[in-house]
Amino acid sequence: GAVVSQHPSRVICKSGTSVKIECRSLDFQATTMFWYRQFPKQSLMLMATSNEGSKATYEQGVEKDKFLINHASLTLSTLTVTSAHPEDSSFYICSARESGLAGGKGLNEQFFGPGTRLTVL
Amino acid sequence: DQQVKQNSPSLSVQEGRISILNCDYTNSMFDYFLWYKKYPAEGPTFLISISSIKDKNEDGRFTVFLNKSAKHLSLHIVPSQPGDSAVYFCAALGYSGGSNYKLTFGKGTLLTVNP
Repeated sequence: GAVVSQHPSRVICKSGTSVKIECRSLDFQATTMFWYRQFPKQSLMLMATSNEGSKATYEQGVEKDKFLINHASLTLSTLTVTSAHPEDSSFYICSARESGLAGGKGLNEQFFGPGTRLTVL
Repeated sequence: DQQVKQNSPSLSVQEGRISILNCDYTNSMFDYFLWYKKYPAEGPTFLISISSIKDKNEDGRFTVFLNKSAKHLSLHIVPSQPGDSAVYFCAALGYSGGSNYKLTFGKGTLLTVNP
C-alpha cells in the first residue's frame, strides 16, 4: 500500500519555541493531506485539511495562527506549532489522500503517517 | 457532540474465538464507514470499509456489518489471533464542503486476544 512518513517521530521542546513537523507521501502524489491530533485515550481529532497550492481549511476551534500548515508540493505538507505550550503536547498524525480508489477500499481513502509525539516542557 | 461512538474502551477474547467490535453514529449523511487498526506510537492502518448503501462487506477474517436504521456498525474478526491485539478505530467519511471529505473517528476499542 501507499506509504506516508512523518519527521520527526518524537520531539521535546521548551515552552515558547516553534516546532515543525513534516509529512511526506513516499510513493504517490497527494493533492490533499490531513492533520490530526490525538490525546491519550481519545479519538483522532481532525485539525485541518490541506490542499496542495491553496490555504488549509481549519476545523472549528483550531487556531490557524498557532498551527501553521504549508502544502507546497504534492508530496509534502508541514505543520508548524508556533509558540508551543505544554497543553500542545500531543500525538500529531498526518494522512494523505489518494482519491478515486475502487475495489471496495472506500472513497477517498487516506493513508496515515506513523505520527509525531510532541512534548512541550 | 461525538458523531461516532465506540462505547467499549476494551475487549478481551480468546484466540480462535470471534471478536465483535461495535460502533454507533449519529449523522445519517456519512457516505462510507471504515475500520482502522492502530498499534502504540504508530499511525492507524486501514482494515476494511463499507459503503453506506451496503449492509455487509467481507475480507478474509474481517467482516463489517452495517445497520443503517439503527445507525450501527460492527466489525467481526473470525478466528481471532494474538496478532490482532491493537486499538481498533471506527471512522465515518462525510462530505465537508468544496471538494473535501473528512473522517470522523470514534475513541477506539482496545482488543486483546489471549493465546
